Amino acid sequence: EAQVTQNPRYLITVTGKKLTVTCSQNMNHEYMSWYRQDPGLGLRQIYYSMNVEVTDKGDVPEGYKVSRKEKRNFPLILESPSPNQTSLYFCASSYNGNQPQHFGDGTRLSIL
Amino acid sequence: AQSVTQLGSHVSVSEGALVLLRCNYSSSVPPYLFWYVQYPNQGLQLLLKYTTGATLVKGINGFEAEFKKSETSFHLTKPSAHMSDAAEYFCAVSGGIGSGNQFYFGTGTSLTVIP
Repeated sequence: EAQVTQNPRYLITVTGKKLTVTCSQNMNHEYMSWYRQDPGLGLRQIYYSMNVEVTDKGDVPEGYKVSRKEKRNFPLILESPSPNQTSLYFCASSYNGNQPQHFGDGTRLSIL
Repeated sequence: AQSVTQLGSHVSVSEGALVLLRCNYSSSVPPYLFWYVQYPNQGLQLLLKYTTGATLVKGINGFEAEFKKSETSFHLTKPSAHMSDAAEYFCAVSGGIGSGNQFYFGTGTSLTVIP
C-alpha cells in the first residue's frame, strides 16, 4: 500500500529538548516536504527536498532542520523547540514538485 | 512568492444544495492547481488537480473545479451537497512565476452541511 508514514503521531515535550519527527514514503517519490498546520493559517511549507541531498527552505524554516540522506526518508529536526512550534505537522511526498502530494496522517507536537 | 486566497473560512449549505468554494491565486503564469480535503483528525486527500489541458476538471466524490486564467481562479463546486462532504477544504498551487518548487496552500474553508 502506497503511504507516507510519520512518527510519532503525538508528542508532548519541553522547551529546548531536541526532537526528531521521522517521515518515510514507499512510493519512490523524489519530492518530499514538511508542513505545519495552524488554525486560520492553513498549511505552510517548512522545508522541501527535490531529491537526495537537495533541500530548500519553504516559507517558515526558522527553528527547523531537515536532511535527505536516503530517497525514502525525510526527518524533521527541532534542535531547540519552543512553544511557538506547537502545531500539527504533516509530511508529504510526490513524484516531482508539480504533482499532487501524498500526505502522512500528521504529528501533533505540544511544546511546553 | 505565490499567494492563494480562499474566500470564506466557513461555508454552510443545506443537504442537496450547491457547494461553491472559492480559490484565487496570484501568479500571472498558470500554475498547477489542486484541491484537497481534510476530514477531522486525518491528513489531506487529493480531490482534483489541474495541470494542463481541459479547464474543467472532475475529481472524486462528485466535485469539480474550473480553471479560469482571466480571473486567476480555481473554484470548487459540487451540484448537491451530502452530509459526508462536511470537512475542511484547501486550495493549493505549485509552479508559476516566483514559486520555484514550493507548494502554497490557502487558509482553508470549513464546509458545514445542514440536514
